Amino acid sequence: EPEVTQTPSHQVTQMGQEVILRCVPISNHLYFYWYRQILGQKVEFLVSFYNNEISEKSEIFDDQFSVERPDGSNFTLKIRSTKLEDSAMYFCASIGTGRETQYFGPGTRLLVL
Amino acid sequence: QKEVEQNSGPLSVPEGAIASLNCTYSDRVSQSFFWYRQYSGKSPELIMSIYSNGDKEDGRFTAQLNKASQYVSLLIRDSQPSDSATYLCAVIRTTDSWGKFQFGAGTQVVVTP
Repeated sequence: EPEVTQTPSHQVTQMGQEVILRCVPISNHLYFYWYRQILGQKVEFLVSFYNNEISEKSEIFDDQFSVERPDGSNFTLKIRSTKLEDSAMYFCASIGTGRETQYFGPGTRLLVL
Repeated sequence: QKEVEQNSGPLSVPEGAIASLNCTYSDRVSQSFFWYRQYSGKSPELIMSIYSNGDKEDGRFTAQLNKASQYVSLLIRDSQPSDSATYLCAVIRTTDSWGKFQFGAGTQVVVTP
């Protein structure tokens, strides 16, 4: 069964450092998403991406965040200067043309020290 | 006002009983509704989607939607210990691009043998 993959599974970084979280969505999917989930809290929408551009973004997704689809398979989330409060699980997700099921990746757990 | 609200639980359900989960949403123009299951430390996985008023059944799960009351529910029949998880309600204002999913904080369900 096709699946969304994410790397790395865990990342520890120092405050102020840049991090790039990587995702490989399911190959024929067209809609891509990033979410974050702070420990014990709800899943929060960050950004959606369609047709090579941002479709929607939340108020969390400020200038410190950016997304790219550098090639036909990868989808990345960059945090330019990490803050302590960026510590969370980050999930990538994708949806195909049928729009029925949003598949989530296993997540990257980011810890900012 | 929270956009998607759920009782946090935990909801304790005896094995074999029916678990009833509720979700309310604030945006009247919301069109599509989803129930996800999330095991601790894992990513959400889709259980059901529902778009029209009424009931939709899939195996042991039944989703119910009432747009006039801005209310969506999930029934789990014949609850099993493996159903112990957090259940997330998600809502989307269907746009051209399926851009933004809003998640509730989730209801924790504990099925006791």
